[in-house]
Amino acid sequence: AQSVSQHNHHVILSEAASLELGCNYSYGGTVNLFWYVQYPGQHLQLLLKYFSGDPLVKGIKGFEAEFIKSKFSFNLRKPSVQWSDTAEYFCAVSYNQGGKLIFGQGTELSVKP
Amino acid sequence: EPEVTQTPSHQVTQMGQEVILRCVPISNHLYFYWYRQILGQKVEFLVSFYNNEISEKSEIFDDQFSVERPDGSNFTLKIRSTKLEDSAMYFCASSERQIAQYFGPGTRLTVL
Repeated sequence: AQSVSQHNHHVILSEAASLELGCNYSYGGTVNLFWYVQYPGQHLQLLLKYFSGDPLVKGIKGFEAEFIKSKFSFNLRKPSVQWSDTAEYFCAVSYNQGGKLIFGQGTELSVKP
Repeated sequence: EPEVTQTPSHQVTQMGQEVILRCVPISNHLYFYWYRQILGQKVEFLVSFYNNEISEKSEIFDDQFSVERPDGSNFTLKIRSTKLEDSAMYFCASSERQIAQYFGPGTRLTVL
């Protein structure tokens, strides 16, 4: 079955620490990959997306993600987190453009000031 | 920046009652979706809708569920006879030209 797994349920970092959140998807051919963020009390917002081309994609707020096809991974990174990055982060994949998104279970990030 | 909106933000209903959840997608978007998230679980796809018909639906989307675009702006999800297990956060999303999906703030449905 098509699935997405996120390695960590809860990550706690201090400000200025580097962040890497893992995401793996099950094999299913061509994929479109997304990271969404949900700040406390707000809705899901698109951080970045990958459809094709350069496997290193840059998103908003200094986030980036790297698609590694051989590892079925799309990890999210940020070199230096801020307290305002405290949120829940969701990885999602679709196996056809415009098709349903399959979500991971989410990773809660807490950044200590 | 245009956003997807949803009403109500919270709906409480009795088991067996019908509920209609409303969404206003971003105005130039053509593809519409409903997802739900039961507390503590993953966000799950329910249905996608394009050109006034369902494009894809999940196993969850049984005969109790229906979707409609009654006018040029609203997109609704109806649950005909709610069950306790329908309690969840329901998210509407829309996209333009089958690119990224943009989500609304969600409606929290509580079935008593």
